[in-house]
Amino acid sequence: EVQLVESGGGSVEPGGSLKLSCATSGLATPIDTWISWVRQTPRKGLEWVALIKGNAHGGTTDYAAPMKGRFTISRDDSRGMVYLQMDSLKTEDTAVYYCVTGGCCSFDYWGHGVRVTVSS
Amino acid sequence: EIVLTQSPEFQSVTRNERVTITCRASQSIGNELHWYQQKPNRSPRVLIRYASQPFVGVPSRFRGNGYGTEFTLVINSLEVEDTATYYCHQSSSVPPTFGQGTRVEIK
Repeated sequence: EVQLVESGGGSVEPGGSLKLSCATSGLATPIDTWISWVRQTPRKGLEWVALIKGNAHGGTTDYAAPMKGRFTISRDDSRGMVYLQMDSLKTEDTAVYYCVTGGCCSFDYWGHGVRVTVSS
Repeated sequence: EIVLTQSPEFQSVTRNERVTITCRASQSIGNELHWYQQKPNRSPRVLIRYASQPFVGVPSRFRGNGYGTEFTLVINSLEVEDTATYYCHQSSSVPPTFGQGTRVEIK
């Protein structure tokens, strides 16, 4: 059974940083699985944030325009972990963040989500 | 970026009725269109991949079709547990984008 478990959410002031973690398990080919972060807000709905490709595709990354230069996605395949480092946070980054498999295609498996609140 | 527009935004239907949700893309995306269901306080889950392929374990009453710029999700014979918000998503180009969602409730 595929499981994605996020952690690291919380409250932070504007300009602050937060690092989200995603523990993966049950993936058929973990090192070749693309992983994305997708966030959700009542106002904007579902919004793709970032992706990291699998080993076979060089593990390269891509980001949504508003996150470029502020967010960094990374993976540690030896631990089955994916991370999202979020810097220079803005109030509009307030959302529920989901770790999901995919990025090239359909988002087949989703974590339970973790809440991030950016507020002074 | 590719904009996906869903219609209707809300639908209230009687149990066992058929529900049809449309997703229109701002440019052709081939069959790179996927459908998700999100129940209240739950994560989304994929229902249909590549316009018409049901994901593992999805009930047969969920059907998808379409190509290019117009796609539909049909729920044949709505069940109470189908109360949810449904989203489309395109993977044809980066950034991946989602429709705004269609909320379906039972009358």
